[in-house]
Amino acid sequence: DAGVIQSPRHEVTEMGQEVTLRCKPISGHDYLFWYRQTMMRGLELLIYFNNNVPIDDSGMPEDRFSAKMPNASFSTLKIQPSEPRDSAVYFCASSRPGQGRTEAFFGQGTRLTVV
Amino acid sequence: AQSVTQLGSHVSVSEGALVLLRCNYSSSVPPYLFWYVQYPNQGLQLLLKYTSAATLVKGINGFEAEFKKSETSFHLTKPSAHMSDAAEYFCAVTEYSSASKIIFGSGTRLSIRP
Repeated sequence: DAGVIQSPRHEVTEMGQEVTLRCKPISGHDYLFWYRQTMMRGLELLIYFNNNVPIDDSGMPEDRFSAKMPNASFSTLKIQPSEPRDSAVYFCASSRPGQGRTEAFFGQGTRLTVV
Repeated sequence: AQSVTQLGSHVSVSEGALVLLRCNYSSSVPPYLFWYVQYPNQGLQLLLKYTSAATLVKGINGFEAEFKKSETSFHLTKPSAHMSDAAEYFCAVTEYSSASKIIFGSGTRLSIRP
């Protein structure tokens, strides 16, 4: 399997623009997580899905952030409008719990810079 | 709610020396515990995990960790550090009873001195 695939790897955008980050989880995984990593806050869980349904979005910082999972093989994280403080590395991860397999597998991340 | 605390945001050891990275957890139910490693500009990679079987867990690259319920700890060790071990290390916890969210500690940056 190719692992969790995120795109783009790098994104530079101007303040106020809409940004969409994409994630393809590992085939067969039924949990998908979005994390944000910054120097100040470390790794924060933003939202996670089970079988394409959002389970917990309490980590989503503001209404400017939204996430969708239209099918088992694709998810998006959208920021509209973007602000400089949104600059961070955004990771997507997936897992398939069961029989002790609870670990999450991470993508390479998207480094977002909002100027 | 579960949480993890990593003591020491930065640890520096000499090549060949013992590596000890500390992690304490809080969980109201039996936990699953993990250590992940992150190399520069990379995603997180699983080093090892505890899933209620053996309390001493061996992982990749010579690392191991011991689950101590009485101390609520899951410290990561390696007998002899190698230059290639320089990276950021994260301890994480999730609930045993359900495959819910995985919560990460703040991370410890490991530096290796020649």
